[in-house]
Amino acid sequence: DTAVSQTPKYLVTQMGNDKSIKCEQNLGHDTMYWYKQDSKKFLKIMFSYNNKELIINETVPNRFSPKSPDKAHLNLHINSLELGDSAVYFCASSQDIGKTEAFFGQGTRLTVV
Amino acid sequence: GESVGLHLPTLSVQEGDNSIINCAYSNSASDYFIWYKQESGKGPQFIIDIRSNMDKRQGQRVTVLLNKTVKHLSLQIAATQPGDSAVYFCAETYYNQGGKLIFGQGTELSVKP
Repeated sequence: DTAVSQTPKYLVTQMGNDKSIKCEQNLGHDTMYWYKQDSKKFLKIMFSYNNKELIINETVPNRFSPKSPDKAHLNLHINSLELGDSAVYFCASSQDIGKTEAFFGQGTRLTVV
Repeated sequence: GESVGLHLPTLSVQEGDNSIINCAYSNSASDYFIWYKQESGKGPQFIIDIRSNMDKRQGQRVTVLLNKTVKHLSLQIAATQPGDSAVYFCAETYYNQGGKLIFGQGTELSVKP
């Protein structure tokens, strides 16, 4: 069983569209994250949630709206997609806040054309 | 002339040799420093961490060294194997920051058989 799974793995869409990426973890962790990795491989935190509560919003445009229906799921919805949103998005989880070991999903490669 | 954009630093080693990957950090307030490994097409994977009040920690075939005087972190991999080929990221985190990992620039390790 995959510990942190996100879907889809690839997403190609046109500018202006709205899309969602889903993430689920079966590790029983309390904390979940979204990270963005750009074309230069730079990884940056976007959001963190602890027990469904938003903890960090790292100055992400409000076109990005995370939703955590329960602590095992953290979905990412993106409105009005722009070319600059093209990147690989990683979902991750950790046992709780402050744990250094985060478990990452395989990533979703988003391409906006 | 200079190329536009930054390329990932690369390190090429012979199989069986030791590898040393370096990282400079800027935040003296960080509580933990961590190394992650990212294989092609996968999410980052935790390797080892070190608390800020330590200067050395050893794991299986890996050693992390922390020099707070010059704000330098290194990862040593003993007897490097082809399976070690990946991009390695240093990261830092500190309490009361929602568990976020602040990643540094990655280093691409290539192991020649």
